[in-house]
Amino acid sequence: DAGVIQSPRHEVTEMGQEVTLRCKPISGHNSLFWYRQTMMRGLELLIYFNNNVPIDDSGMPEDRFSAKMPNASFSTLKIQPSEPRDSAVYFCASSPRTVSQGEQYFGPGTRLTVT
Amino acid sequence: AQSVTQPDIHITVSEGASLELRCNYSYGATPYLFWYVQSPGQGLQLLLKYFSGDTLVQGIKGFEAEFKRSQSSFNLRKPSVHWSDAAEYFCAVGGNNDMRFGAGTRLTVKP
Repeated sequence: DAGVIQSPRHEVTEMGQEVTLRCKPISGHNSLFWYRQTMMRGLELLIYFNNNVPIDDSGMPEDRFSAKMPNASFSTLKIQPSEPRDSAVYFCASSPRTVSQGEQYFGPGTRLTVT
Repeated sequence: AQSVTQPDIHITVSEGASLELRCNYSYGATPYLFWYVQSPGQGLQLLLKYFSGDTLVQGIKGFEAEFKRSQSSFNLRKPSVHWSDAAEYFCAVGGNNDMRFGAGTRLTVKP
């Protein structure tokens, strides 16, 4: 298996622009997670899906952030409009089990820079 | 909700020396416990996990961890560290329909 695939790997954009991050989970995994990692705040869980349904989005920082999972093999995280403080590494992870029980498989991340 | 603490932000060890990274958790029941490693520029990789049974679990890359219920700990150990082990290590605790990651411990390996 190719593992969790994320695109793009790097994104540089200007403040106010829309940013879309993409994730393809491991086939057969039924849980998907979006994380944000910064030096200041560490690893933060933004949202997670189970069987394509958003279960907990309490970590989404603002209404500017939205996530979708239209099918079992694809998810997006959108920021609109983007701000400099959104600069971070965004990780997608998938798991064959529920959030509390399952080991998570992380993608390589998308490094987002908002200028 | 559960919580997890990694008391050491940064640890430096000499190559060949033994290693122990600390992890303490707070949870009312038996948790699901994990250790992950993150090399620079990469995502987290699972080292090992504990669900139940034998409290000493073996993982990849020669790592092991021991679950001690009385101390609410799940410390990661390696008998002899290699330079390639330099990375950030995260402990995670699952339970109550949630997963919490520690803040991480950065490991530096001296030649």
